[in-house]
Amino acid sequence: DIQMTQSPSLLSASVGDRVTLNCKASQNINKNLNWYQQKLGEAPKLLIYYTNNLQTGIPSRFSGSGSGTDYTLTISSLQPEDVATYFCFQYNSGPTFGAGTKLELK
Amino acid sequence: QVQLQQSGAELAKPGSSVKISCKASGYTFTSYYISWIKQTTGQGLEYIGYINTGSGGTNYNEKFKGKATLTVDKSSSTAFMQLSSLTPDDSAVYYCASGYPNPWAWWGQGTLVTVSS
Repeated sequence: DIQMTQSPSLLSASVGDRVTLNCKASQNINKNLNWYQQKLGEAPKLLIYYTNNLQTGIPSRFSGSGSGTDYTLTISSLQPEDVATYFCFQYNSGPTFGAGTKLELK
Repeated sequence: QVQLQQSGAELAKPGSSVKISCKASGYTFTSYYISWIKQTTGQGLEYIGYINTGSGGTNYNEKFKGKATLTVDKSSSTAFMQLSSLTPDDSAVYYCASGYPNPWAWWGQGTLVTVSS
């Protein structure tokens, strides 16, 4: 199985901050990676697909980048409604999820 | 609009089975695969497998072979997942997912399964 390691596991930031979340795969996943946002009690919501494609209806402050084994989700200006847990998900081979980054307001 | 509506919470006894449903609306059901995902506090999110809603063909994560059985009823645009020989480790929230252009774009609201005697 491909292991997905997310860092940090907990991130505290202020409104307006630029925030970067990381996801590292145990082998090359060929950009076959999605990012999800999950708020308490809700289903995960797709933010970014295939590394850098913004899902319809998602604010443009969210962006994704990466290649090979290293991927990043960036929030350009953190908003209060962005408080959530963020998961990466690789579907290159035997789909697997990262353990998540919990984002909170400082 | 696209919606995946899952069945309600289940309380089941160890050794029994449950069957969860996922009813699709707002798109042509047979156009996109449906996947199933398990979420627990301890293990996080785990991919169970997917079903080709047109042919009924399935693909399972090795870990869930023998545990989960995926089926569809095209006449009602509904996908099902049966979980058998339940143990407390099967207690989780289970999600169905589908979508375009990415196959995991749309998610159901989740179904809580609790296994307890």
